Amino acid sequence: GNSVTQMEGPVTLSEEAFLTINCTYTATGYPSLFWYVQYPGEGLQLLLKATKADDKGSNKGFEATYRKETTSFHLEKGSVQVSDSAVYFCALQGGSEKLVFGKGTKLTVNP
Amino acid sequence: DTEVTQTPKHLVMGMTNKKSLKCEQHMGHRAMYWYKQKAKKPPELMFVYSYEKLSINESVPSRFSPECPNSSLLNLHLHALQPEDSALYLCASSRSHGGARDEQFFGPGTRLTVL
Repeated sequence: GNSVTQMEGPVTLSEEAFLTINCTYTATGYPSLFWYVQYPGEGLQLLLKATKADDKGSNKGFEATYRKETTSFHLEKGSVQVSDSAVYFCALQGGSEKLVFGKGTKLTVNP
Repeated sequence: DTEVTQTPKHLVMGMTNKKSLKCEQHMGHRAMYWYKQKAKKPPELMFVYSYEKLSINESVPSRFSPECPNSSLLNLHLHALQPEDSALYLCASSRSHGGARDEQFFGPGTRLTVL
């Protein structure tokens, strides 16, 4: 079945540092890939998505590129802020399969 | 309007109580979902409703009973819960179920504590 592996962290950075959270996947067919963010005490928000190979999803300064050759969808941001502190989930949706989540990566950004 | 709302935000109940969680969306989505999320874990799928019919039940105990009164509303009826059922319960919706491109939109969740 489909699966997602992401670096579990926790990740601690200083403000304005560069962020990378790695995500790789295993799937058949042509799944869509997502990054969700969960701020403390809240539900999940869709951060960005990509639906086919080489697509780049972007939102709020975050980017991720759907790489079929390396089965990856790494999340990046050039300069993080304290307000980016949250848990980030990589997820995969393939056809009639259910949405599959990675284990989540907790990011803490210090001023 | 790209919002999924859930009520209540917090709920404390005893093991003999009966309570309900409510979820609403006005995006015209035809698929709705219940997830359970324990601390420091990803959400776990419980139920999927597609076109107001139960499509998937992930072997959830019968003390959880979903209901979909119409295409905008989804309820989760709770009865005789156990302390280990304490968790964040998330509702989500998507345009349809089974499409790889149909992203799910999540509500803020109900924080449930069972005493």
